[in-house]
Amino acid sequence: NAGVTQTPKFQVLKTGQSMTLQCAQDMNHNSMYWYRQDPGMGLRLIYYSASEGTTDKGEVPNGYNVSRLNKREFSLRLESAAPSQTSVYFCASSPMEGTKTQYFGPGTRLLVL
Amino acid sequence: DQQVKQNSPSLSVQEGRISILNCDYTNSMFDYFLWYKKYPAEGPTFLISISSIKDKNEDGRFTVFLNKSAKHLSLHIVPSQPGDSAVYFCAASLHGGDKLVFGAGTILRVKS
Repeated sequence: NAGVTQTPKFQVLKTGQSMTLQCAQDMNHNSMYWYRQDPGMGLRLIYYSASEGTTDKGEVPNGYNVSRLNKREFSLRLESAAPSQTSVYFCASSPMEGTKTQYFGPGTRLLVL
Repeated sequence: DQQVKQNSPSLSVQEGRISILNCDYTNSMFDYFLWYKKYPAEGPTFLISISSIKDKNEDGRFTVFLNKSAKHLSLHIVPSQPGDSAVYFCAASLHGGDKLVFGAGTILRVKS
């Protein structure tokens, strides 16, 4: 039981390049989330998915898109990376809508030059 | 405007003593609060939570206190151990919602 896994662990991009961050969970959770963590700012919600087939914007969605591919997988796409998107990205999941506790993956460290 | 604030960026405590981490919030509609612990290069892990209908919740060495009138919660760790050295995030959730709002975190260093 791996919990929440994220790939890649680390990525360097040039401004304007695109990439997709992958997230998968094997806990049969319904809800999944993408956060970014920046120094001095805690974790901020980018997008979330309450269930398969649904996605909603969080606090900082601009410059990102998401896909809830199936119940297990929730990907985050940067279409045209900008230096302001340099951050650590965390994926999380929770068992069902209304369950507050979220379980986090190990993170993806992204550097945009 | 930060709705959840952790005003102490860092805290240093001697092993065996009590660690007290503080968190303030501004939105009175928050009704559930959580503490997460994060080691370097790892994701946050859930530590303890409290519902707004309670004022205290205890789990082993960890106790969370909630003062709704002051919109303040605190995490007490007794006794503190070197392995407790980590970043601690306070998070809050609105009534009926799943989304969490996080504070900026407090770095705890427990010296042996």
